[in-house]
Amino acid sequence: DADVTQTPRNRITKTGKRIMLECSQTKGHDRMYWYRQDPGLGLRLIYYSFDVKDINKGEISDGYSVSRQAQAKFSLSLESAIPNQTALYFCATWNYGYTFGSGTRLTVV
Amino acid sequence: GIQVEQSPPDLILQEGANSTLRCNFSDSVNNLQWFHQNPWGQLINLFYIPSGTKQNGRLSATTVATERYSLLYISSSQTTDSGVYFCAVERGTDSWGKLQFGAGTQVVVTP
Repeated sequence: DADVTQTPRNRITKTGKRIMLECSQTKGHDRMYWYRQDPGLGLRLIYYSFDVKDINKGEISDGYSVSRQAQAKFSLSLESAIPNQTALYFCATWNYGYTFGSGTRLTVV
Repeated sequence: GIQVEQSPPDLILQEGANSTLRCNFSDSVNNLQWFHQNPWGQLINLFYIPSGTKQNGRLSATTVATERYSLLYISSSQTTDSGVYFCAVERGTDSWGKLQFGAGTQVVVTP
């Protein structure tokens, strides 16, 4: 099993729908992150969590929310999806080095 | 915020060639990492290198923190080296664990 697992791998959703992207990790790391990647750009930080009770906004948190259900699980929600949220989304853990999940390719139509 | 600039933006190599990718950053950093994103989108951590030199097989990296740049060397390139190479930095205790990415260098290795 992968150290950081993201589900789903691909998703197409309609404008206005609520969607949740899930992330789970087996590395036992406290710190978890959600990034998005747009074509031709590097990754940008959406939210991060240093432990279950510590959740922080990143540089592009508007339109997103997160939930840290346990040390191993960190979910990202789009409450009302819009087309410019079409992107590749990555979850990561950190412990003096990042481990990324395989990504979720989200398309909002 | 800190600026991270990578060069060149694109690179086409013939298999077997060597190359150097550069990452400049605008302020002091606690951490610098190099990543490879393969054509399927998967991100692989190559080096955690806030300073000094590291080598891993055909890849090596050097960070000169005092001069605010890092270099990634690819030797004897192979087609599997194709993809996008990202440099990412983290600075300051208030940015602990939060990476600022460059725009990447797109590398294509031809047979």
